[in-house]
Amino acid sequence: NAGVTQTPKFRILKIGQSMTLQCAQDMNHNYMYWYRQDPGMGLKLIYYSVGAGITDKGEVPNGYNVSRSTTEDFPLRLELAAPSQTSVYFCASIGGQELTLAGNTIYFGEGSWLTVV
Amino acid sequence: AQKITQTQPGMFVQEKEAVTLDCTYDTSDQSYGLFWYKQPSSGEMIFLIYQGSYDEQNATEGRYSLNFQKARKSANLVISASQLGDSAMYFCAMREGVGNNDMRFGAGTRLTVKP
Repeated sequence: NAGVTQTPKFRILKIGQSMTLQCAQDMNHNYMYWYRQDPGMGLKLIYYSVGAGITDKGEVPNGYNVSRSTTEDFPLRLELAAPSQTSVYFCASIGGQELTLAGNTIYFGEGSWLTVV
Repeated sequence: AQKITQTQPGMFVQEKEAVTLDCTYDTSDQSYGLFWYKQPSSGEMIFLIYQGSYDEQNATEGRYSLNFQKARKSANLVISASQLGDSAMYFCAMREGVGNNDMRFGAGTRLTVKP
């Protein structure tokens, strides 16, 4: 099973450029998330989605945009990249029609390493 | 305000010994879930163990156990019989309330197992 797939795995961007990090899951999960992890730090929630057509901001949404046109895909867009956006980005998903606490394990992608220079 | 606090940036343990990684949390919800994840140097996040706020027993999964002290709002991870492969970053995380949609992570603890 593919699970959660992120592309690209590595990318170097120049200041001011834009790019999209792709995330796809094949588990029919409704809930999807984007996190960033700065060096030596924990994960911070950027945006999340509870289903197709619905997105919401997390802790650190500034400088990012998302869309959720299908259940499978949850791309993260960086507009006008800044050095502060140098980070590792993780996409994740959780299954189940109703998000209860028990048994809803979060599945992570392998991460996308982004450097803005 | 910080929802999840991991006060140990780094820990060392001798192979075959037990180690406890600390985690405290802050919530006013009665219903919440606590999770521990392992992140090896390869970067992937690996689910280890889950504890629900209404669970009366401490969760256990093989060599992992969660020391859940609800009144103190702590959810420490105990790894027994440490192995070299346990060297990694460990993250504590919490999801609040039934139907709440986001999960918050602590800053992590880097565990190094010495031979």
